Amino acid sequence: KAGVTQTPRYLIKTRGQQVTLSCSPISGHRSVSWYQQTPGQGLQFLFEYFSETQRNKGNFPGRFSGRQFSNSRSEMNVSTLELGDSALYLCASSLRTSGGAGELFFGEGSRLTVL
Amino acid sequence: AQSVTQLDSQVPVFEEAPVELRCNYSSSVSVYLFWYVQYPNQGLQLLLKYLSGSTLVKGINGFEAEFNKSQTSFHLRKPSVHISDTAEYFCAVSVFSGNQFYFGTGTSLTVIP
Repeated sequence: KAGVTQTPRYLIKTRGQQVTLSCSPISGHRSVSWYQQTPGQGLQFLFEYFSETQRNKGNFPGRFSGRQFSNSRSEMNVSTLELGDSALYLCASSLRTSGGAGELFFGEGSRLTVL
Repeated sequence: AQSVTQLDSQVPVFEEAPVELRCNYSSSVSVYLFWYVQYPNQGLQLLLKYLSGSTLVKGINGFEAEFNKSQTSFHLRKPSVHISDTAEYFCAVSVFSGNQFYFGTGTSLTVIP
């Protein structure tokens, strides 16, 4: 069974640009969550999508957005990039059938560097 | 609101020595508890989880953790570490009613030969 796939793995952008990251969940998983990981802040929850609907949202500005498609693949977008957006962006999928008991399966992440 | 505190940001330990990584959480509702490991340039991998039942949980790679409700702790232990255990370890909680996970800031475990 293929794991969670994130693309691209690495990317470099400049301030003011926008970026789109993609995540393909494990087959059969309908929940996709996104996390931002930085050395100082650890993992911070961005949002969760389930059945194409955003179910939870973390405390991030509106520049961070996402969506989920009917095949459960998800994208997140960051507009007007700032230096502080440099981070590892992790996607995680789960079955979401048992509330919070469902294990998260993580991809290897997309490392974004903003210059 | 939920929060997770990992009390040690870095833990150096000699090979074959025991190790304990500490985790405390705060929550006004019942939670599930998890430990994840992250190797360099990789995503997170589940080590173990506590959902209910026995408070001592065994996971992969010889790790175990004990849930202590009165102390709101979920410390991770291994009796004898290997070089390959060098990694970042994250404690996390999720609430019964939702699917949002709250992670600690991580503990960097370095095993010294």
